[in-house]
Amino acid sequence: EAQVTQNPRYLITVTGKKLTVTCSQNMNHEYMSWYRQDPGLGLRQIYYSMNVEVTDKGDVPEGYKVSRKEKRNFPLILESPSPNQTSLYFCASRLMRVAGGRERGQYFGPGTRLTVL
Amino acid sequence: AQKVTQAQTEISVVEKEDVTLDCVYETRDTTYYLFWYKQPPSGELVFLIRRNSFDEQNEISGRYSWNFQKSTSSFNFTITASQVVDSAVYFCALRPNTGNQFYFGTGTSLTVIP
Repeated sequence: EAQVTQNPRYLITVTGKKLTVTCSQNMNHEYMSWYRQDPGLGLRQIYYSMNVEVTDKGDVPEGYKVSRKEKRNFPLILESPSPNQTSLYFCASRLMRVAGGRERGQYFGPGTRLTVL
Repeated sequence: AQKVTQAQTEISVVEKEDVTLDCVYETRDTTYYLFWYKQPPSGELVFLIRRNSFDEQNEISGRYSWNFQKSTSSFNFTITASQVVDSAVYFCALRPNTGNQFYFGTGTSLTVIP
């Protein structure tokens, strides 16, 4: 089954304690991305990657790090989490080039709800 | 600027009514892609449609239809004969052709009352 998986699904942590949210896709997609969803703000892109070892900042990269060492994995790292990073996080992936231009948009993971106390 | 505006924060309709969700976008690019996603109460994000900027043909899929108008930079979504299962948050999104960043609107929360 084609899917994007995220772990953990729920996480409560304390300020300053480093954490990693993993993301993996089994569709051989080149493009992967992280978003955060906050009430009234919609989804905002944190980082994205167009292929292995290629990453770019989105609109809200401050306080986050990513790495793309393998095509299927794109972990999100919070080196020193703060309460303002309490949010719902989504990982997504997509094919960069689709035959016939029939891009289907992004496949999203189920989300990770993070609370930073 | 690259931006998507969904001015309707919340909408409530009675079942079987038609409802239109508005989406207005801004982009410097002449080529771009527009998307609609649905987020039901369970939380996952479901792809609904993608539209290229060079294809202004409107699309219908069952009870769903989309009206793309470049002249007004709008990509509105209409649900005909709404059902309770349509209750969700709907997001409009933009991807300019230059770069690979996506821009989402703030979403419209639709409640269909039985």
